[in-house]
Amino acid sequence: DIQMTQSPSSLSASVGDRVTITCRASQGINNYLAWYQQKPGKVPKLLMYAASTLQSGVPSRFSGSGSGTEFTLTISSLQPEDVATYYCQKYYSAPFTFGPGTKVDIK
Amino acid sequence: EVQLVESGGGLVQPGGSLRLSCAASGFTFSNYWMAWVRQAPGKGLEWVAYIKQDGSEKHYLDSVKGRFTISRDNAKNSLFLQMTSLGAEDTALYYCVRGNWGNYWGQGTLVTVSS
Repeated sequence: DIQMTQSPSSLSASVGDRVTITCRASQGINNYLAWYQQKPGKVPKLLMYAASTLQSGVPSRFSGSGSGTEFTLTISSLQPEDVATYYCQKYYSAPFTFGPGTKVDIK
Repeated sequence: EVQLVESGGGLVQPGGSLRLSCAASGFTFSNYWMAWVRQAPGKGLEWVAYIKQDGSEKHYLDSVKGRFTISRDNAKNSLFLQMTSLGAEDTALYYCVRGNWGNYWGQGTLVTVSS
């Protein structure tokens, strides 16, 4: 099975900072990758699919890139409401594994 | 408005069984792959099972194969997860999720396996 990893596992940044989260697949998954945001106590929310397509309603400060085995989620200017755990998920083939998550908070 | 409403969770003893249901509305249910995703307390997301639109194709997490069965009733816009031989490791909030990439999630139903 294809394994998904994320780095870092957590980060602390200041409001307005540019934040980048990396997701790696152990084998190529083309661009079959989604990103989710989960705020504490809330249901996960889809941010991005097809690696770089922004889900409707998601602020444009979020962007995604990558293909194959390495992907990034970037928040161009971190806002207080972005405090959350971010997960990547592959949907290239079953199992549709999630990454372990990256916890983002404000410094 | 798309809605996914899970039910059927609860407290069950180790080795027991439980059947989860998900009632879908606000979209053409039969057009979408559907999935169950779970989250153990304080842990990350874990994809559990996936079923094709017509039910002809199903996929499972290795650790639930042979114990869990995903099914659907397109006439009733419903998704199910039959869970047997439950263990403590299955304790989690179980979400019903629409599609290849989960653009809609239910609120979840909590399954607690404990004696």
